[in-house]
Amino acid sequence: GAVVSQHPSRVICKSGTSVKIECRSLDFQATTMFWYRQFPKQSLMLMATSNEGSKATYEQGVEKDKFLINHASLTLSTLTVTSAHPEDSSFYICSARDRTDNTDTQYFGPGTRLTVL
Amino acid sequence: GEDVEQSLFLSVREGDSSVINCTYTDSSSTYLYWYKQEPGAGLQLLTYIFSNMDMKQDQRLTVLLNKKDKHLSLRIADTQTGDSAIYFCAERAPWGKLIFGQGTELSVKP
Repeated sequence: GAVVSQHPSRVICKSGTSVKIECRSLDFQATTMFWYRQFPKQSLMLMATSNEGSKATYEQGVEKDKFLINHASLTLSTLTVTSAHPEDSSFYICSARDRTDNTDTQYFGPGTRLTVL
Repeated sequence: GEDVEQSLFLSVREGDSSVINCTYTDSSSTYLYWYKQEPGAGLQLLTYIFSNMDMKQDQRLTVLLNKKDKHLSLRIADTQTGDSAIYFCAERAPWGKLIFGQGTELSVKP
């Protein structure tokens, strides 16, 4: 149980294009999902907290117009990197929290490797 | 503010025990977690411990929590080459966020 998927797993795009990444909880409902960014050999940096049916909460320094988050259902959150540039190249990981689990455990997706040329 | 610290590297021989240490600063943390990350993959939850517990064992994994010293450790018994990965400890912060350590890279030599 507690499986989270991400799609795509890997994407290469040209500078200036927008890229959408999907995060799905496959066998549980998630009122809250989180989006992280990870640079090589570094820890995870929380970008935003996504709540179903409401606006995402962004961490300080994260541009909300650059990284659009939509959490339209209890099993799906999307992150859109708008007008991507090479500095946006990174490993993006989502996590989801089971609404019935009171341990606040976050279950992570496999990550999406974004490369902007 | 909240901060979590781990040593960056640990090298052990196959069959030995590994002990990965972590210190945290927020004494009000209710849950602490251990995650494993293999190259190019997401994070896999290994185990978690509630703050009113001192120890939790799950097969080869033993978690020890010293609340007074704000110290958390993960012991892996009979370490195998497949255990080579980066291990992150994390504490639950307000609003359910997780604060992660820098990760400890475990290298298991045959």
